[in-house]
Amino acid sequence: QLQLQESGPGLVKPSETLSLTCTVSGGSISSSSYYWGWIRQPPGKGLEWIGSIYYSGSTYYNPSLKSRVTISVDTSKNQFSLKLSSVTAADTAVYYCARVTSVLRFLEWSSWGQGTLVTVSS
Amino acid sequence: QSVLTQPPSVSAAPGQKVTISCSGSSSNIGNNYVSWYQQLPGTAPKLLIYDNNKRPSGIPDRFSGSKSGTSATLGITGLQTGDEADYYCGTWDSSLSANWVFGGGTKLTVL
Repeated sequence: QLQLQESGPGLVKPSETLSLTCTVSGGSISSSSYYWGWIRQPPGKGLEWIGSIYYSGSTYYNPSLKSRVTISVDTSKNQFSLKLSSVTAADTAVYYCARVTSVLRFLEWSSWGQGTLVTVSS
Repeated sequence: QSVLTQPPSVSAAPGQKVTISCSGSSSNIGNNYVSWYQQLPGTAPKLLIYDNNKRPSGIPDRFSGSKSGTSATLGITGLQTGDEADYYCGTWDSSLSANWVFGGGTKLTVL
C-alpha cells in the first residue's frame, strides 16, 4: 500500500522560504508513468496545484507560482521536496504531497499524503 | 477564479440523486481526461472518478462520471449522510503553460 507523508516546519516567517519533504513508502518513487507533486489548500478554500516532478528531475510548475517554486527529488531516499520562497500570509495552507499518473499529460491523483498545515506569520 | 467552474454548493435528501457540474474549455476538459475527488471534512482528497467515468477499486457504483464537450458531470445516487463532503473536478490544461487545474469545489449537503 503506497503511503506518502509530508514533513517540515509548521510555522514560517514572512519573506522566508517554506520547505517541505514528502517521504514515499510502500512503492518506488522511480516508478515510470508517475509524477509526484504538491497541492495546497488555504483554510476554507479550494485545491491549488503547485507543481510536480518525475524521478528523472523533469518538472512542471503552476505558472502563477513558478517564480517562487522549486521541487526536487532524491531517489536514494524515496523523497521529493518543495521550496517556496518569499512567502506571505497568502501562502498559509494545508500542503499535500501526492502521486499523479502521467501518460503525455497528467491523468489522475491517486495517492495523497494526509497534509500538513503551514502557517506564515511573524 | 478557477479555470474549471463548479457550483459552490448542492443539496439533496438521503436516498436521492445529485449531479455536480464542471465546466471548462477546449484546452482542458475538451481535450483531456477529467477526474473527480471527494474531500470529507478534515481529511485529504480521495480519487473518486478517473478517465472521465472510471471508478477506482473500492468506490461504489453509486458514483458515476460523464463528459460531453467542455463539461463534465459527477453523479451520486442513493445519497447517504456520509457523502456529505467537498467535491472537486480536475484535469490537464494544454494551453501555452501546460499545467494541472482543479475546479473551485462543490459542497454537498445531504439534508
